[in-house]
Amino acid sequence: GENVEQHPSTLSVQEGDSAVIKCTYSDSASNYFPWYKQELGKRPQLIIDIRSNVGEKKDQRIAVTLNKTAKHFSLHITETQPEDSAVYFCAASESGAGNMLTFGGGTRLMVKP
Amino acid sequence: DTAVSQTPKYLVTQMGNDKSIKCEQNLGHDTMYWYKQDSKKFLKIMFSYNNKELIINETVPNRFSPKSPDKAHLNLHINSLELGDSAVYFCASSPLEGTFRYEQYFGPGTRLTVT
Repeated sequence: GENVEQHPSTLSVQEGDSAVIKCTYSDSASNYFPWYKQELGKRPQLIIDIRSNVGEKKDQRIAVTLNKTAKHFSLHITETQPEDSAVYFCAASESGAGNMLTFGGGTRLMVKP
Repeated sequence: DTAVSQTPKYLVTQMGNDKSIKCEQNLGHDTMYWYKQDSKKFLKIMFSYNNKELIINETVPNRFSPKSPDKAHLNLHINSLELGDSAVYFCASSPLEGTFRYEQYFGPGTRLTVT
């Protein structure tokens, strides 16, 4: 089955700095890679996703890159703000396999004002 | 206008009991899921279900069973609860496979505490 590794487990940045979270996956059949943000006591919320036919996707301050050859993908947050503080999860799935997401272990991002 | 809802929000029960968690989505989605988030925040898929098939994560004990009365609902039944079942359980839903839309929307979670 799929295995997703996520690093770092905690990340502390100063407001305005950039944050980068990296994930690797094991199953070359995986073709969908979402990122979720989970605030304390809340549900995971999709913030951005990327399909395997795309190398990069950007949405305002958030971008995701995918390297299929190396089987890794990354989340980039620029101009971080205190409200970006949360736990971020990467995930991978293969369409056609029930779309079941395999999550990474999460990264706790703390943005210091 | 809640997209994915779950009840109850909190559930406290004793070992050995049988309990159910309900999930409903009003997004018109065809696939629903159950995830378990443990105390270390690890999120793990338990089930994927649409009107064609149920896919079970092989690590899930058979004390757990999903039941779907209709396309908008996927309930989770747990028999003979154990201490290790304590966790937050999230329901999620996504559009029909084959529509090339894979995004999953999560419910608010049910915090289950087994004493």
